[in-house]
Amino acid sequence: AQTVTQSQPEMSVQEAETVTLSCTYDTSESDYYLFWYKQPPSRQMILVIRQEAYKQQNATENRFSVNFQKAAKSFSLKISDSQLGDAAMYFCAYRSPQGGSEKLVFGKGTKLTVNP
Amino acid sequence: DTEVTQTPKHLVMGMTNKKSLKCEQHMGHRAMYWYKQKAKKPPELMFVYSYEKLSINESVPSRFSPECPNSSLLNLHLHALQPEDSALYLCASSNKGGSYNSPLHFGNGTRLTVT
Repeated sequence: AQTVTQSQPEMSVQEAETVTLSCTYDTSESDYYLFWYKQPPSRQMILVIRQEAYKQQNATENRFSVNFQKAAKSFSLKISDSQLGDAAMYFCAYRSPQGGSEKLVFGKGTKLTVNP
Repeated sequence: DTEVTQTPKHLVMGMTNKKSLKCEQHMGHRAMYWYKQKAKKPPELMFVYSYEKLSINESVPSRFSPECPNSSLLNLHLHALQPEDSALYLCASSNKGGSYNSPLHFGNGTRLTVT
């Protein structure tokens, strides 16, 4: 079974600075999708960015980018020019193309605090 | 604004009550999900409907009963719940019947308290 590990329960960053959240996963599959979701105090889970395993190019979405290292099974999220609105829980998630692909396996999350 | 709408936002119920959580989406998505999230934990999958048919039941107790009346609506019927069932219940949807390359879109959740 696939597992997702986020080793940083909490992180903090100064406004306008850059922060990197780590995520590693364990899988024997060669094709899959990886996601980063953000959950602010408003409770809604918001998709931040996604990466297809067969694409070598790292995904970027404005100030958010990933460092995808397939061999190392690492999928870190970099937030540039951090803003107060970036404060939230961040969950890394894995999705398999196999049977049961409806399942999204989440890591335990990283709580990000942005200091003014 | 969320494209997945959940009602009510908050619900307090006794252990003998019957209540329902509702979820609605109008994005044409064909897969819908119920997740349970305890405080400071990741969401845990409960049920998945794909093309209005139950495709996954993660061994959820029968006091939780899902229903998918049509492709836009998803209900979760609650009966004889326990205090430990208190949690945030999240609904989500995705297109392509739950295909792995389709991201989930989540609602704001229903905060359930069982007294």
